Amino acid sequence: GAVVSQHPSWVICKSGTSVKIECRSLDFQATTMFWYRQFPKQSLMLMATSNEGSKATYEQGVEKDKFLINHASLTLSTLTVTSAHPEDSSFYICSAHNRGRNYGYTFGSGTRLTVV
Amino acid sequence: QKEVEQDPGPLSVPEGAIVSLNCTYSNSAFQYFMWYRQYSRKGPELLMYTYSSGNKEDGRFTAQVDKSSKYISLFIRDSQPSDSATYLCAMSGNYGNNRLAFGKGNQVVVIP
Repeated sequence: GAVVSQHPSWVICKSGTSVKIECRSLDFQATTMFWYRQFPKQSLMLMATSNEGSKATYEQGVEKDKFLINHASLTLSTLTVTSAHPEDSSFYICSAHNRGRNYGYTFGSGTRLTVV
Repeated sequence: QKEVEQDPGPLSVPEGAIVSLNCTYSNSAFQYFMWYRQYSRKGPELLMYTYSSGNKEDGRFTAQVDKSSKYISLFIRDSQPSDSATYLCAMSGNYGNNRLAFGKGNQVVVIP
């Protein structure tokens, strides 16, 4: 149980285009989802906290107009990287909070984004 | 001072050895402590979860939390090559909706 599916697992896009990443909780409802970014050999950096039905809360330094987050249902949150540039290339990971389990946080398998 | 400190230095051990990892933290409000394992190009997976101070054992893994010293540890006994991964400590002050604070992660290599 407590599976989070993240799609796509990797994507290559051209500079200036937008990319959408989906994060789904498959067997539980997630009122809160988190989006992280990870550079090689670095830890996870929280980008934003996404609450179902309300606007996401972005961490300091994260451009909300560039990284659009939508949490339209209790099982789906999406991150759209708009007008992507090579410096946006990174590993993006989502996490969902599962109130039904005693440890709460389940991570997706990540999305490797390469902007060329 | 960062909220969570974890020495990221790679750690190589021979198969069968005990792996010892640790993190220190500065925020006394942290109550929930977790260890995640992350394989290359994959999302983190939860290994151990501990609430407040104490020890927890699960198979070959033991997690320890000492809130008075703001110090947590993870021990892996009888290490296997399949344990080779990056191990991240994480903690939060409030269950669930509060964000997790992560350490930098320790890359562990178990040599057959």
